[in-house]
Amino acid sequence: ETGVTQSPTHLIKTRGQQVTLRCSSQSGHNTVSWYQQALGQGPQFIFQYYREEENGRGNFPPRFSGLQFPNYSSELNVNALELDDSALYLCATSGFRETQYFGPGTRLLVL
Amino acid sequence: AQKVTQAQTEISVVEKEDVTLDCVYETRDTTYYLFWYKQPPSGELVFLIRRNSFDEQNEISGRYSWNFQKSTSSFNFTITASQVVDSAVYFCALSENYGGSQGNLIFGKGTKLSVKP
Repeated sequence: ETGVTQSPTHLIKTRGQQVTLRCSSQSGHNTVSWYQQALGQGPQFIFQYYREEENGRGNFPPRFSGLQFPNYSSELNVNALELDDSALYLCATSGFRETQYFGPGTRLLVL
Repeated sequence: AQKVTQAQTEISVVEKEDVTLDCVYETRDTTYYLFWYKQPPSGELVFLIRRNSFDEQNEISGRYSWNFQKSTSSFNFTITASQVVDSAVYFCALSENYGGSQGNLIFGKGTKLSVKP
């Protein structure tokens, strides 16, 4: 196990709602990256946080936003949920630009 | 543009068979990193290996081995004497270089390996 934890494990929401997903870093890791994995696909990079600031962003709309806290834990917020947001959301932590270690993920279903 | 292609969507083998998972990548960077991750049904991605573009030595770790060939832009993964516990989806990934270290990961679509007893 990596020591990276995510909560909740599963979540069901309806279209238009907002959701917050959480990630706690492995000890010694100061960088958090978030990925979205649709069914049958590889993970897609959403964004990365380093020292509480966004440090790179993939091709996701602004309704996907995040935060990193002083203890390096992180949140992913998604506003105005759409059906296509249904996916496994993975958090990965690392030293700055080092190998990323993943948490167990949060499965989000949007109805 | 950077891209990772895993042409094998699904592979099924019988226990104790050897199996090779293919990975082909595209990048314009001269310095980059390549990875393999394993995703069991639980969903968590498990790190297996990282290689930088200057290190073309093949690596062996127990029943796992990796063959990196820059000339063909390939980074293939072989499991020797497969076991049922090897059943999972395997992802190859690429990251670009930032001052000597890796950035975000670009994943292939994965290869689902089923090992039958």
